[in-house]
Formats: sequence, C-alpha cells, structure tokens
Amino acid sequence: ILNVEQSPQSLHVQEGDSTNFTCSFPSSNFYALHWYRWETAKSPEALFVMTLNGDEKKKGRISATLNTKEGYSYLYIKGSQPEDSATYLCAFSAGSARQLTFGSGTQLTVLP
Amino acid sequence: DTEVTQTPKHLVMGMTNKKSLKCEQHMGHRAMYWYKQKAKKPPELMFVYSYEKLSINESVPSRFSPECPNSSLLNLHLHALQPEDSALYLCASSQDHWTGGAGANVLTFGAGSRLTVL
Repeated sequence: ILNVEQSPQSLHVQEGDSTNFTCSFPSSNFYALHWYRWETAKSPEALFVMTLNGDEKKKGRISATLNTKEGYSYLYIKGSQPEDSATYLCAFSAGSARQLTFGSGTQLTVLP
Repeated sequence: DTEVTQTPKHLVMGMTNKKSLKCEQHMGHRAMYWYKQKAKKPPELMFVYSYEKLSINESVPSRFSPECPNSSLLNLHLHALQPEDSALYLCASSQDHWTGGAGANVLTFGAGSRLTVL
C-alpha cells in the first residue's frame, strides 16, 4: 500500500500572503508526482507533473519542487488571491504500474 | 474540446435499483478511469480502461460493473449497492496509461456524479 500524506489538511491565509504546503510519498521506485487544484463544484484540474529529482515547475504565482530521494514535494503560492481558494491534491505513481495514488489534499482558503 | 462530461450530477438510488453513471470525452484520449471519493478522503482508483479494454480493476466489488462501449464513452453500471457505496464518483481520462511518459498520464477529470444509496 502506497501512502501519500499531505499537510496541512487545511489552511487559511490573508489575501497577499505567500503560502506553501507539503506532499510526502514513498521514495522507492518513484515514477511521477502530480499536483491538481480542485475548486468547489468544479473538476480537479492538473497543475504540474514532475518526474526528476530537483524538478521545479512554475505556472504564474504557483510553483512546485520535487525531492525524490527523501520523498517530498512542496507547492508554493506567492501573493495568494481569493481565487486560489481550492483543495490542492498531490498524486504519486511508482514503478511500471503508473496508477496514481492520491493524498487527501490541502484545503486552502484565502480571505479577502 | 478539453472536457470530460459526467451524467448525472446527482443520483439517489435504493439498494435494489439498477442505475448507470456515464462519462464522455472527445479529446482523443485512450485511457479512461473511474475513481471513488468519500468526504475528506483521497480519490481511490476503481478501474482503468486502456484502448477500450479493462486494464486495471482495483478489487472492486462486482456490484460495480464498468463498460467502455467506444473510445469516447465510459459507463459504470450499479446494482445492489450498499449505503456505504454513497460517494462522489469521478471519471477521468488521459492520453495514454501505459506508454508516452508521465505527461501522458496527466488526468483530465469530470465534475463527478454524487451518488446516494438509501
């Protein structure tokens, strides 16, 4: 059983604050790490997929890093806006099976 | 068209009913997935279809029966469900599951079908 842990479970920040959260996953037999954003009443939407140790990806004010040796990824949001409020899910795949194992998500609320 | 469409959005059924959830994509994706999500829990993979053939079944009870009539459609037939099967059922697709690198596995999700079993 592959466990993917995300912390914190929920987070409230003020508009304009920068924030980050963590995804931990088993470091053995790593294949890929995905981040998704899930706004209420909408579909989860892919943000990033990363495969190499040390990978950094950026999309606007959101960025992510990957450490496959120690089994963690960080998601950073710079200058949070109310529209960033969502649940952020990470998902990990290992070996040749490729199916994604999801974490429970970090629920972010950005207060105006 | 970069959408995955799921119907119905909400479904209430009794334990003796037979119903179906439907999923459609027109992105030319060759892999389609069913996930189940209960509140505050991670989405859990149920089935993977690759090129219209069942590729992965994560030991799902037989009261859930998937069907892939063609490359754009994925159904989940429901029969004799239990109240604990109440959950959000998410459909997703990707370019490919087994080949093409990690980018080919990026999922495009539907908005889900909220199922309540009475």
